[in-house]
Amino acid sequence: AQSVTQLDSQVPVFEEAPVELRCNYSSSVSVYLFWYVQYPNQGLQLLLKYLSGSTLVKGINGFEAEFNKSQTSFHLRKPSVHISDTAEYFCAVSVGITDKLIFGTGTRLQVFP
Amino acid sequence: GAVVSQHPSRVICKSGTSVKIECRSLDFQATTMFWYRQFPKQSLMLMATSNEGSKATYEQGVEKDKFLINHASLTLSTLTVTSAHPEDSSFYICSARDRVWGYEQYFGPGTRLTVT
Repeated sequence: AQSVTQLDSQVPVFEEAPVELRCNYSSSVSVYLFWYVQYPNQGLQLLLKYLSGSTLVKGINGFEAEFNKSQTSFHLRKPSVHISDTAEYFCAVSVGITDKLIFGTGTRLQVFP
Repeated sequence: GAVVSQHPSRVICKSGTSVKIECRSLDFQATTMFWYRQFPKQSLMLMATSNEGSKATYEQGVEKDKFLINHASLTLSTLTVTSAHPEDSSFYICSARDRVWGYEQYFGPGTRLTVT
């Protein structure tokens, strides 16, 4: 079975500072990887995804993530955060490209002025 | 494009009553829709997968007689919480998979259910 671990439940950071949100997964087979963002009382929005090819994936809002197969990680990064990036971020995996998503527990990114 | 709506956004109902939540794909056809439940400060837990025109597939531990799912058309799926109890209070989110593009799930804004 697949599982996703987001090591940090909360990440506080000052505006314009860089940030990394960590995600590790467990799977005996190849997986597809996703990062979603959830703003308060809203649904999820896809930030980026890794399906195949280059291990460095760029997404919306200046975010990027790097797939590391040997470390089974898919950490999300942004070089300079904004107040508007304050939200909950979820890492997710699926086995097949049309398979169900398995979510991590989420990381609350809080950006301070 | 790829907008998914949910109705209502918030609902309060009394214990023992039933409540229906609608999930619509507004600008695409969705052969598959998913229903998730999210507890405060927790992750999304998949409840069931519904395919248009067929019975929903429920995840282990989800009572299919309590959470009735109907996917009657390519743009509409409904979740009915029957005989609701306070422990059913939660944030329910649906997602829809585009029939053409296949893999990406588009999420609705969620429905906050409070059972008193």
